[in-house]
Amino acid sequence: ETGVTQSPTHLIKTRGQQVTLRCSSQSGHNTVSWYQQALGQGPQFIFQYYREEENGRGNFPPRFSGLQFPNYSSELNVNALELDDSALYLCASSLGTGGAWRTYEQYFGPGTRLTVT
Amino acid sequence: GIQVEQSPPDLILQEGANSTLRCNFSDSVNNLQWFHQNPWGQLINLFYIPSGTKQNGRLSATTVATERYSLLYISSSQTTDSGVYFCAVFAGGTSYGKLTFGQGTILTVHP
Repeated sequence: ETGVTQSPTHLIKTRGQQVTLRCSSQSGHNTVSWYQQALGQGPQFIFQYYREEENGRGNFPPRFSGLQFPNYSSELNVNALELDDSALYLCASSLGTGGAWRTYEQYFGPGTRLTVT
Repeated sequence: GIQVEQSPPDLILQEGANSTLRCNFSDSVNNLQWFHQNPWGQLINLFYIPSGTKQNGRLSATTVATERYSLLYISSSQTTDSGVYFCAVFAGGTSYGKLTFGQGTILTVHP
């Protein structure tokens, strides 16, 4: 059983550019969630993907977007990068979406550290 | 939205000491996870614990959902226990499972 993987591990971009981060979910998991972790803070929920559709979203602007593919892997895209987008981006996979009546344990990848200059 | 507070923010121990980390949350939760974040940023699952007590080696956790808190116990600490410990909750009330994290407890264990 393979765990959650993310690529690349590190990335340096310039303000205004666009970036794509990738995540492969743990074997058997169909749901992917993305989180942003600024330095010294806890991770903040960006959005969740289930069956190739966005299933829920946190307080992030539309320039943060994503995709989920039939094999359940996922991409996070950020347009018009700002300095404040510098952070560790974490992907988590789970067996299901969770929600009001049932929850599923989330497992995290190693993260992508994005630096915007 | 739900608020998650962790205490203490920083903890320094000598190897072999015991410690208790606390997580308070402002509303009812469907479930709760404890994580250890290593120096490379990887979040490692420690416990998935909506209520009651669980143990895994030198670590144990207790969640009292009715009183809105959870505790993580580390016994006989080792230098490899150093890192940041996060509590995260599933608040429910939505159609998706979003984790809300606390600010973390930074643990440093000295040899």
